[in-house]
Amino acid sequence: DAMVIQNPRYQVTQFGKPVTLSCSQTLNHNVMYWYQQKSSQAPKLLFHYYDKDFNNEADTPDNFQSRRPNTSFCFLDIRSPGLGDAAMYLCATSPQGSYSNEQFFGPGTRLTVL
Amino acid sequence: AQSVTQLDSHVSVSEGTPVLLRCNYSSSYSPSLFWYVQHPNKGLQLLLKYTSAATLVKGINGFEAEFKKSETSFHLTKPSAHMSDAAEYFCVVPRIGSARQLTFGSGTQLTVLP
Repeated sequence: DAMVIQNPRYQVTQFGKPVTLSCSQTLNHNVMYWYQQKSSQAPKLLFHYYDKDFNNEADTPDNFQSRRPNTSFCFLDIRSPGLGDAAMYLCATSPQGSYSNEQFFGPGTRLTVL
Repeated sequence: AQSVTQLDSHVSVSEGTPVLLRCNYSSSYSPSLFWYVQHPNKGLQLLLKYTSAATLVKGINGFEAEFKKSETSFHLTKPSAHMSDAAEYFCVVPRIGSARQLTFGSGTQLTVLP
């Protein structure tokens, strides 16, 4: 089945220790998104790629970076995680020109910062 | 700007009774609208979407929603709740001026009592 895959599902890191979260997709969608979701809150968009074109949200901290080496993969790098960065990180994809703008979500990575 | 308001942060129903989750939207034109569901520690799954075709939209797992322009509402309903319906539900609208981005409601936590 075509899908969005996130690895790992659970990640534990130490305060200040860089961490990378991974997302891959078999849907061949042009657009890939990274969201941060804290407990009992709606997902918050961090940035998205339209093909190789990177689009950062204005309020995304510089501590968060992203890479998209090819259509299938996208990475979220947190350079110096703080306690406030503990959250669920969701990857999503969307096809180019989708009138309905539907996004397809992965299962998420739960990040714990010690 | 387009926005959605979910009128209830928590809803509790008994198993086998009807479910009503309320969403009002604000838009200068008929938007696309979505309902997503999120089970604990999982990603978001699309329940249903409205894209200006039929005003009554049927989704997965017996859910449906009716787009009412006169009331600017897009409430989610199900005739008979099941224990597996317990989850967080998000009403979502595409962000104005950016077809690739979504605006999420604050979410409604549905509890199903035995």
